[in-house]
Amino acid sequence: AQKVTQAQTEISVVEKEDVTLDCVYETRDTTYYLFWYKQPPSGELVFLIRRNSFDEQNEISGRYSWNFQKSTSSFNFTITASQVVDSAVYFCALSEGGVSSGSARQLTFGSGTQLTVLP
Amino acid sequence: EAGVVQSPRYKIIEKKQPVAFWCNPISGHNTLYWYLQNLGQGPELLIRYENEEAVDDSQLPKDRFSAERLKGVDSTLKIQPAELGDSAVYLCASSPKREGLYNEQFFGPGTRLTVL
Repeated sequence: AQKVTQAQTEISVVEKEDVTLDCVYETRDTTYYLFWYKQPPSGELVFLIRRNSFDEQNEISGRYSWNFQKSTSSFNFTITASQVVDSAVYFCALSEGGVSSGSARQLTFGSGTQLTVLP
Repeated sequence: EAGVVQSPRYKIIEKKQPVAFWCNPISGHNTLYWYLQNLGQGPELLIRYENEEAVDDSQLPKDRFSAERLKGVDSTLKIQPAELGDSAVYLCASSPKREGLYNEQFFGPGTRLTVL
């Protein structure tokens, strides 16, 4: 069974600080995908980033970066120079299995981390 | 391009009453999902449709919940009768079908249900 754990329930930072959100996952599959979603107060989940299990290369996309380490089953997400608009709940999610006829499989979400960026 | 549309955004009912939620996915998206999100938790899948076929409904409480996607486009999720514990946000998501690619899910704003 797949499981995603986000140990940080709430984080508060001051604007312009860097912040890292932790995510630990469990899966028996060798092929899987990991995601980060943002949920602002409006409620709509917004896709941020995706990595597959075969690509551990860490990348930077604008103010976002992620650290994927299969050895520790972690997929941490960093926001550089945080802004007030980054305040939201951030969810880490896992999808097991390879591509099946091009359709997405079930996403298993963590419980989320509430990020508050103070001005 | 319009996103996933859900209605109503908010619904307040008394327990034992029926309630229905509607979702219109992004045009051309074959796969449609209904998720349940309890307060302070991540979304949990209730049912997944490929066109009009429910391919994964293992987590749908079938004694009171039902769903349909008759023409493979929009979908309705129904609860009858509603219980206090059904108070939550019900999210709809859709994804396209492109062979050989993993297709991310696009979420609607959700319907917040309060059962009194």
